[in-house]
Amino acid sequence: QQQVKQSPQSLIVQKGGISIINCAYENTAFDYFPWYQQFPGKGPALLIAIRPDVSEKKEGRFTISFNKSAKQFSLHIMDSQPGDSATYFCAATDAGNNRKLIWGLGTSLAVNP
Amino acid sequence: EPEVTQTPSHQVTQMGQEVILRCVPISNHLYFYWYRQILGQKVEFLVSFYNNEISEKSEIFDDQFSVERPDGSNFTLKIRSTKLEDSAMYFCASSEWGAGEQFFGPGTRLTVL
Repeated sequence: QQQVKQSPQSLIVQKGGISIINCAYENTAFDYFPWYQQFPGKGPALLIAIRPDVSEKKEGRFTISFNKSAKQFSLHIMDSQPGDSATYFCAATDAGNNRKLIWGLGTSLAVNP
Repeated sequence: EPEVTQTPSHQVTQMGQEVILRCVPISNHLYFYWYRQILGQKVEFLVSFYNNEISEKSEIFDDQFSVERPDGSNFTLKIRSTKLEDSAMYFCASSEWGAGEQFFGPGTRLTVL
């Protein structure tokens, strides 16, 4: 019940295309869903996050879509650029002060020029 | 921009040896975390720390692991007797408040031979 399932494992997109990464969870106590971007040799960096009281959040080219009833959320990268090539992790955490992050397996995104 | 720093970037040790991984969280942050990422696998929560004590720990964080905040700036993870399976990337993270964004350091790659 603590799992976050992420797909696909890897993704290749042409420059200018849309990258879509999906995640699903089971624990209904989760109330914060961040996406992290990780470049090789670097730590994960928060990209965008959403709480379940909204169905969509957009920041620049990055959008999270959230479906509370289906317990699914997804990251959309519009106009994908070669600089977006990285590993993307979805995560979830539940209410409470500890906020341990439960992570998906990650998606390796390659954007071809 | 403030950032979390970690030292060393790479640590090689022999099985059975003790290692200490060091982290300097962002200065006004109060919540501290260690995560690890075995190569090719997902990021896993190890421990959270607040107010000079462990808030929560995972089943991975057994008696061989300990954390400490020896002064006002450092946050350390000690592995008393390393095993081959401890080889992983260890990430430190900190947040200003319990439900706040977690900022990650660049990680320490631990290799146990």
